[in-house]
Amino acid sequence: QSVLTQPPSASGTPGQRVTISCSGSSSNIGSNTVNWYQQLPGTAPKLLIYSNSQRPSGVPDRFSGSKSGTSASLAISGLQSEDEADYYCVTWDDSLKGVVFGGGTKLTVL
Amino acid sequence: QLQLQESGPGLVKPSETLSLTCTVSGGSISSTTHYWGWIRQPPGKGLEWIGSIFYSGSTDYNPSLRSRVTISVDTSKIQFSLRLNSVTAADTAVYYCARIVVGPWDYYMDVWGKGTTVTVSS
Repeated sequence: QSVLTQPPSASGTPGQRVTISCSGSSSNIGSNTVNWYQQLPGTAPKLLIYSNSQRPSGVPDRFSGSKSGTSASLAISGLQSEDEADYYCVTWDDSLKGVVFGGGTKLTVL
Repeated sequence: QLQLQESGPGLVKPSETLSLTCTVSGGSISSTTHYWGWIRQPPGKGLEWIGSIFYSGSTDYNPSLRSRVTISVDTSKIQFSLRLNSVTAADTAVYYCARIVVGPWDYYMDVWGKGTTVTVSS
């Protein structure tokens, strides 16, 4: 059971806009910034969004992040086949004094 | 360009100690704005934070693993290491090392190693 709650799966067709939610509590998302990772099969996770909504250099602007209260979301617009991957939300938890991950969302491009 | 590389045995016997090292290249491990951490991923499952260390030796550990984990740093070798004792099959996973950016409200892994698979089996 993960501290952060994500839907286990999401799907969309090429060109569509998809959102993935991440729900937490006042001690984690409510107090700290949220980060998102993309993990392609057989590879290490890649930082996609940091500080709620910032994109590292090289990440397409099709990817965007937002946070409100104790929830966050990742949006992918103009869905492409190469976006098929697992996506994880991550933040610090002040009560646990550690990093907490969401359980991950498997995105399928139909 | 900063790179991280995990190394260590791929097979560990139950009840023994898992030991991994992460070698940092292309940058300094003595940064005052970064921590260095370990994350693992059991087969077919999600990611789990193991712990982190600052170059001074200050550490944070996952509460669920704290009794079995030790993370250390060797600034002269530009390496940091993980020791996990009393391992069981549940510790079988891909182990990643990563650089961590730390700020007032920020804590995220921005550079990752490729990962190394560790299997616990007799």
